[in-house]
Amino acid sequence: GQQLNQSPQSMFIQEGEDVSMNCTSSSIFNTWLWYKQEPGEGPVLLIALYKAGELTSNGRLTAQFGITRKDSFLNISASIPSDVGIYFCAGQLREGTYKYIFGTGTRLKVLA
Amino acid sequence: NAGVTQTPKFRILKIGQSMTLQCAQDMNHNYMYWYRQDPGMGLKLIYYSVGAGITDKGEVPNGYNVSRSTTEDFPLRLELAAPSQTSVYFCASSTGIGRSDTEAFFGQGTRLTVV
Repeated sequence: GQQLNQSPQSMFIQEGEDVSMNCTSSSIFNTWLWYKQEPGEGPVLLIALYKAGELTSNGRLTAQFGITRKDSFLNISASIPSDVGIYFCAGQLREGTYKYIFGTGTRLKVLA
Repeated sequence: NAGVTQTPKFRILKIGQSMTLQCAQDMNHNYMYWYRQDPGMGLKLIYYSVGAGITDKGEVPNGYNVSRSTTEDFPLRLELAAPSQTSVYFCASSTGIGRSDTEAFFGQGTRLTVV
């Protein structure tokens, strides 16, 4: 089946640093979503991207839909301790299928 | 708003037992989903529903069944529990309307262990 390669798998950073993570695939996606999951909780939607090249921000978070429609990145600026969690990308292969493929996640730890 | 509510939060089953994981949403969403999350992995779609009375298989449906008799509820049934079904199960819902039709809101999960 289709796969999403998410990198890095984990990151340890100092508070205040910027963070960058990305998802790539050999398949073309119509929609990209970025979620954050904290321990013992379900994923929470951070940003949704709907067209190639789209750049969207949500506070200190910025995400972009790659021009080729095969990748997306998420940046977090000036990280804070509460940014700790697992960040997942999810891609929708074909509009209207209602099915998303999830990446394996990037585990972020912020050192104060 | 309670959002998406899953029960139970934790459960231990013996091999061969059956159980139903409950999921309810109070947002009047048309679409509902069941995912499983194995340790260190992303979420895999088990089943989904686009409305009451309509269900369809996802990536990993074997060993599970679902029903959608109302808009609010989407229970997941395990008939003969196997150790391979040890996982965290997430239910999600989305509006099915407009640009955000598939932006899913997730419940807090059910941690299931089969021994």
